[in-house]
Order: sequence, then C-alpha cells, then structure tokens
Amino acid sequence: EAAVTQSPRNKVAVTGGKVTLSCNQTNNHNNMYWYRQDTGHGLRLIHYSYGAGSTEKGDIPDGYKASRPSQENFSLILELATPSQTSVYFCASGDRVNEQYFGPGTRLTVL
Amino acid sequence: QQQVRQSPQSLTVWEGGTTVLTCSYEDSTFNYFPWYQQFPGEGPALLISILSVSDKKEDGRFTTFFNKREKKLSLHIIDSQPGDSATYFCAASYSGSWQLIFGSGTQLTVMP
Repeated sequence: EAAVTQSPRNKVAVTGGKVTLSCNQTNNHNNMYWYRQDTGHGLRLIHYSYGAGSTEKGDIPDGYKASRPSQENFSLILELATPSQTSVYFCASGDRVNEQYFGPGTRLTVL
Repeated sequence: QQQVRQSPQSLTVWEGGTTVLTCSYEDSTFNYFPWYQQFPGEGPALLISILSVSDKKEDGRFTTFFNKREKKLSLHIIDSQPGDSATYFCAASYSGSWQLIFGSGTQLTVMP
C-alpha cells in the first residue's frame, strides 16, 4: 500500500512569515499533488508534479510555490503567509489519476 | 466555477438504514468518477469508482450509480454502520488528465 507522509502535522505561523510543508512518498510514484481542504470547498488542487524537477500550477496556485527535488519529496512553500491560507493541506501521490494516495494532512494556522 | 456539485452537505442516518449521496457535474468530457472516504484526522482514501461506460458498480455494501444523460452519480450504502461515519467526496476526471475535480463533500453520521 502507498505510503505518503507529511510534516509537520500541525503548524502555527505568523502573517508575512515563510512556511514550508513537506511531503514524502515511498512508492516511487511519478505524480505528486498538493491540495487544500476547506469546509464547503472540498479539495482544491494547488500544485502538482510529474516527476523530479517538475512543478505545475493547479487550480489555486496564487500565493504558493512548489518544489520537487527528488522522486520521493514534494514541498509546498508559502513565501508570505496570510490568514486566508489557514487550512488543512494534503499531499497525494499516484501514477494514474485513479490511484491517488493521500497523506494524513497538515493543519496550518496563520495568525 | 464549481464543476462537481455534491449534496447533501451533511446527513444523519440510523444504523441499518440506506444512505444515498448524490453528485452532479457539468463537463460532458468527464468519464471517470471516484468516491473518496475520509475519516477525521486522516487523508481521503479511494472507496469505489466508476467509468462512464458503466451505469453501476458494487463493492460490498457500497454501490455507485452513473446516469450519463442527467450527468449525475450517486453512492448508496446499504446496512449503514457507525463505522461508515466519515466525509465522502465524489470526484471527476477525464481521459488524459492527471487531475481530479472534487465535490465539496458530505459529512455522514450513522447513529447506533
């Protein structure tokens, strides 16, 4: 079974600060995804990657950057965090759209 | 633009009853429709999925129905159990896409 881990699990940040959320997968999947989950909006795609060195914009990329330094790792970066970015963030991996495996999530609060 | 609409937002049923969740979509090119189940504190996990060439798929107590003409899909849970209490998301995608478009989710509570 796919194993996707995220760190940290909880994070409190200050407005204007830099936040980095990390994701690691151990199943050699090519594709990785970052979503945010908010009540009433479901899961919305922020960035995704087809492999090491690639990042693509999803549906709501503004205010976020992504980095895929290796097959296993995919980071989401908030250079200047804002309270509107308070949310639960999920990383997922998979090789086909019907095999997305999600991590446990990171709860981010921006004060 | 919300491409996948899901209802209801929340639902409470009694143990042993049948749960029905529904979704509708707009893009007629969608041809793959998964349902994800999410327990509190966890990430979503694939529960069941259906392709547009089928109108029904069963997996134990869970059945998903697809109506191409009406652009609707549904998830039926028979003999609902308290352990089924979770948030359920429908989603949609199309051939060649690596992206899933998720509905807003239904929070299901099954009362013992």
